Amino acid sequence: DIQMTQSPSTLSASVGDRVTITCRASQSISSWLAWYQQKPGKAPKLLIYKASSLESGVPSRFSGSGSGTEFTLTVSSLQPDDFATYYCQQYDSYVTFGQGTKVEIK
Amino acid sequence: QVQLVQSGAEVKKPGASVKVSCKASGYTFTGYHMHWVRQAPGQGLEWMGWINPNSGVTNYAQKFQGRVSMTRDTSISTVYLELSRLRSDDTAVFYCAKGRIVARRSYFDNWGQGTLVTVSS
Repeated sequence: DIQMTQSPSTLSASVGDRVTITCRASQSISSWLAWYQQKPGKAPKLLIYKASSLESGVPSRFSGSGSGTEFTLTVSSLQPDDFATYYCQQYDSYVTFGQGTKVEIK
Repeated sequence: QVQLVQSGAEVKKPGASVKVSCKASGYTFTGYHMHWVRQAPGQGLEWMGWINPNSGVTNYAQKFQGRVSMTRDTSISTVYLELSRLRSDDTAVFYCAKGRIVARRSYFDNWGQGTLVTVSS
């Protein structure tokens, strides 16, 4: 099974900050990676697919990059609505999620 | 617009089975795989498997094989997840998620609202 490791587990930031979350795969997954945002009590929401493609309707302050085994999700200027938990997901071989990164208010 | 509406919360005793439904609308039901993902309280996301609503073919995560069954009723655009021999650590929110397939690989572009299944004696 492909393991996905996110870092950090928790991130404290302020509105307007640039934040970056890293996701590492235990083996190469090419660009078969998605990012989701989840708020408490809600279902996850797709942000990014194929490592860097922005889902329709998602603000352009979200961006993804990487290939192979190392990937990043960047929020260029954190907004109040962005405080949430973020998950990466590989879909190269079956499906595996990272353990999540909680972005909290500093 | 795409909507996935799941059945309500369930409370089950250890050893019992639970069946959760997910009714789809707003797209061609038979055109997209439906996946199930669960989330234990305060924990991350765990993929359980998928069903092809057109053919009924399923693909389950190894962890759940022998205990899980995914079925569909195309006449009402609904998929079902049944999990048997429930244990306390099966307590979780179960989500259905519509797969978007690219090169036989899927990520999830729409999710149901989730169904809480509580396993307790």
